[in-house]
Amino acid sequence: GQSLEQPSEVTAVEGAIVQINCTYQTSGFYGLSWYQQHDGGAPTFLSYNALDGLEETGRFSSFLSRSDSYGYLLLQELQMKDSASYFCAVRDKGNTPLVFGKGTRLSVIA
Amino acid sequence: NAGVMQNPRHLVRRRGQEARLRCSPMKGHSHVYWYRQLPEEGLKFMVYLQKENIIDESGMPKERFSAEFPKEGPSILRIQQVVRGDSAAYFCASSRSKNTEAFFGQGTRLTVV
Repeated sequence: GQSLEQPSEVTAVEGAIVQINCTYQTSGFYGLSWYQQHDGGAPTFLSYNALDGLEETGRFSSFLSRSDSYGYLLLQELQMKDSASYFCAVRDKGNTPLVFGKGTRLSVIA
Repeated sequence: NAGVMQNPRHLVRRRGQEARLRCSPMKGHSHVYWYRQLPEEGLKFMVYLQKENIIDESGMPKERFSAEFPKEGPSILRIQQVVRGDSAAYFCASSRSKNTEAFFGQGTRLTVV
């Protein structure tokens, strides 16, 4: 089976940088994904890491260390609209569905 | 290219009725996943289908729940004899292949009264 751990809540100031960590335990590993979900909305794909290192997409970056079973999502220049829940998700084999963490609720304050 | 389409967006059913939730994947996507989400909680995997086949239904309750993805038409998640505990948001996601990113629909919010 798989399990993922991420903080339940994070608060950060507008314009700042915030890092949301995710540790996972899986029997195999086919990559770590990140999704954003606003209240009442659908999960929206943000990033995917299959190999170690940092992937950058605009203000968002995602990092993976396979040896540490650890990854993080980095949000820069925070905006109020970034207030949402952020989920990490893993796939342990090629033919299995994504398993999600419980999500981190990010609150951006002025 | 339209995204994943789910309907209805909101569904109200009385206890004991049947609920049918539909999901049309993105064009070119043949892999469909259904998830359930309770308020303030994460997404719980239910079932994974690929055209006409159920690949993994390990998250599906053994009774009252079924899913299909016919050769033609949308994927259907069917809940028979609904109970209050079935009230939740049900999300469908699709992907082009088994290892590529999955994109979610807007969900169906089921309320059982």
